[in-house]
Amino acid sequence: ETGVTQSPTHLIKTRGQQVTLRCSSQSGHNTVSWYQQALGQGPQFIFQYYREEENGRGNFPPRFSGLQFPNYSSELNVNALELDDSALYLCASSFGGTVAKNIQYFGAGTRLSVL
Amino acid sequence: DQQVKQNSPSLSVQEGRISILNCDYTNSMFDYFLWYKKYPAEGPTFLISISSIKDKNEDGRFTVFLNKSAKHLSLHIVPSQPGDSAVYFCAASGDPSGTYKYIFGTGTRLKVLA
Repeated sequence: ETGVTQSPTHLIKTRGQQVTLRCSSQSGHNTVSWYQQALGQGPQFIFQYYREEENGRGNFPPRFSGLQFPNYSSELNVNALELDDSALYLCASSFGGTVAKNIQYFGAGTRLSVL
Repeated sequence: DQQVKQNSPSLSVQEGRISILNCDYTNSMFDYFLWYKKYPAEGPTFLISISSIKDKNEDGRFTVFLNKSAKHLSLHIVPSQPGDSAVYFCAASGDPSGTYKYIFGTGTRLKVLA
């Protein structure tokens, strides 16, 4: 059973650029959630995808967008990067987007630095 | 508005003793709670969870207690081991809109001293 993998591990961008982060979900999982973790904070929910449809969104602007593919892997896209977007971006996969009790399993994250 | 709070940023405990990590929440709609452990350069790892219909759940050295009236949960680690040194996050879930997002606290850094 493969775990959740994220790429790239680290990324440096400049303000105003666009970035795409990728996530492969754990085998057998059909739901992917994305979180942003700023330094010294807990992860904050960005959005969740269940069977290729957005299944809920946190308090993030529309320049944060996502996709889920038929194999349940996912992308997080951020346009018009701002300095405050510098953070660790975590992807979590689970089974059954509408079942609250399913555990979310996290990848190691992508560290994004915006200069 | 911080719906899940971990008021102790850090905790140091001697090896073999009990570690108690605390978490408070404000939203009475939360019905599922989890603890995650995070080592540097790794993603959060699931430790233990509890549903709001229970007040205690045990898994080996880890026990989670839930006090719904006080909106408080705690994680007990007995006995504590040096390998338990990590940042611990509590998370809560339960959203009438159907989005089963987790709301995380800010974490408590546990250091177990050998």
